[in-house]
Amino acid sequence: AQSVTQPDIHITVSEGASLELRCNYSYGATPYLFWYVQSPGQGLQLLLKYFSGDTLVQGIKGFEAEFKRSQSSFNLRKPSVHWSDAAEYFCAVTGTASKLTFGTGTRLQVTL
Amino acid sequence: NAGVMQNPRHLVRRRGQEARLRCSPMKGHSHVYWYRQLPEEGLKFMVYLQKENIIDESGMPKERFSAEFPKEGPSILRIQQVVRGDSAAYFCASSHSPTDSPFTGELFFGEGSRLTVL
Repeated sequence: AQSVTQPDIHITVSEGASLELRCNYSYGATPYLFWYVQSPGQGLQLLLKYFSGDTLVQGIKGFEAEFKRSQSSFNLRKPSVHWSDAAEYFCAVTGTASKLTFGTGTRLQVTL
Repeated sequence: NAGVMQNPRHLVRRRGQEARLRCSPMKGHSHVYWYRQLPEEGLKFMVYLQKENIIDESGMPKERFSAEFPKEGPSILRIQQVVRGDSAAYFCASSHSPTDSPFTGELFFGEGSRLTVL
């Protein structure tokens, strides 16, 4: 069975600082991996996805993520955080049938 | 707006009543998914449907919950005899068929329907 672990429930960073959100997955074959962002009271917006090829993927809003098969990780990064990045971030994994398995999320707080 | 449309956005029901949540997928999408988000938790898969067919309902509670995606009209998630534990945000997502080429695996989410059971 596939699963996703986001070990950090809550992270606080200062505006302008760098950010890394951790994601570890469990899946028997090559996974499809996603990061979604959810602002309060809103739906989920896709930040980026990995299917194959280059293990460093670029997404929207200046985010990137690196797939490391040996570590079963897909960590999300941003070099300089903006106050508007405060939200909840979800990592997700799927195989071939679009049935996503989500992590429990990491809530990002940005201090000015 | 060509995105996934859900209504109502907010729904209040008393215990024992029925809740019906509707979802219209993105134009051109034939597959619909329902997820439930409990407070302080991630999204949990409930059911995956295509037109007139349930593909995977492994995440649906065995009782009181049902879903459909008719040939015409939106997908509907129905909760009968609601209890306080049903209070949650219910998200619908849609995608192209997994057999379409190229398959992207990407789901497009609506803004959710927030159910409160009094």
